[in-house]
Amino acid sequence: ILNVEQSPQSLHVQEGDSTNFTCSFPSSNFYALHWYRWETAKSPEALFVMTLNGDEKKKGRISATLNTKEGYSYLYIKGSQPEDSATYLCAYTNGGFKTIFGAGTRLFVKA
Amino acid sequence: DGGITQSPKYLFRKEGQNVTLSCEQNLNHDAMYWYRQDPGQGLRLIYYSQIVNDFQKGDIAEGYSVSREKKESFPLTVTSAQKNPTAFYLCASSYRGTATQETQYFGPGTRLLVL
Repeated sequence: ILNVEQSPQSLHVQEGDSTNFTCSFPSSNFYALHWYRWETAKSPEALFVMTLNGDEKKKGRISATLNTKEGYSYLYIKGSQPEDSATYLCAYTNGGFKTIFGAGTRLFVKA
Repeated sequence: DGGITQSPKYLFRKEGQNVTLSCEQNLNHDAMYWYRQDPGQGLRLIYYSQIVNDFQKGDIAEGYSVSREKKESFPLTVTSAQKNPTAFYLCASSYRGTATQETQYFGPGTRLLVL
């Protein structure tokens, strides 16, 4: 059974704090890893797609790294702002058609 | 603006009733998907379609049915056979659906509640 785990389940930080969370996935038959941001009452939006071991992607204050050999990806947010409050989903694909989503990390940033 | 719309935002189902959730996209995407979200769980795939007039079961297709008569539309029917339909339903689309590094674009979701 393919399983994607995200930790922590939720996270409360103060404005200005930097934070990171983890996505763990099967290391065999890896094809791609996606990160999505899902704000309350909105649609999930794509942040990154990563395919190569050692990939690093950055968008503004948010960045992500990928280790396909050990099966994990980190998402980092530098200097968190209240507008970063959202659920962050990761999704793994193994080259088959199916995408397996984690349950998400819910981030709360307090002003 | 291009995007995916879902309606209604909230839907109430009575026992034994079939209900249909609407999903429309104007992104000219070939592939469309239906996911279900339950508390504390990841999105689970119900059905997907890579092309008009074709669709495939996902992991939890029992009690659901779909159609894909038009490229833009992929409605999901929750039948009376689905014994636990209360959940949040998300529709998504992607350009071709043949390469799984493709980004999926999501609608705003429909929350289904059983009366």
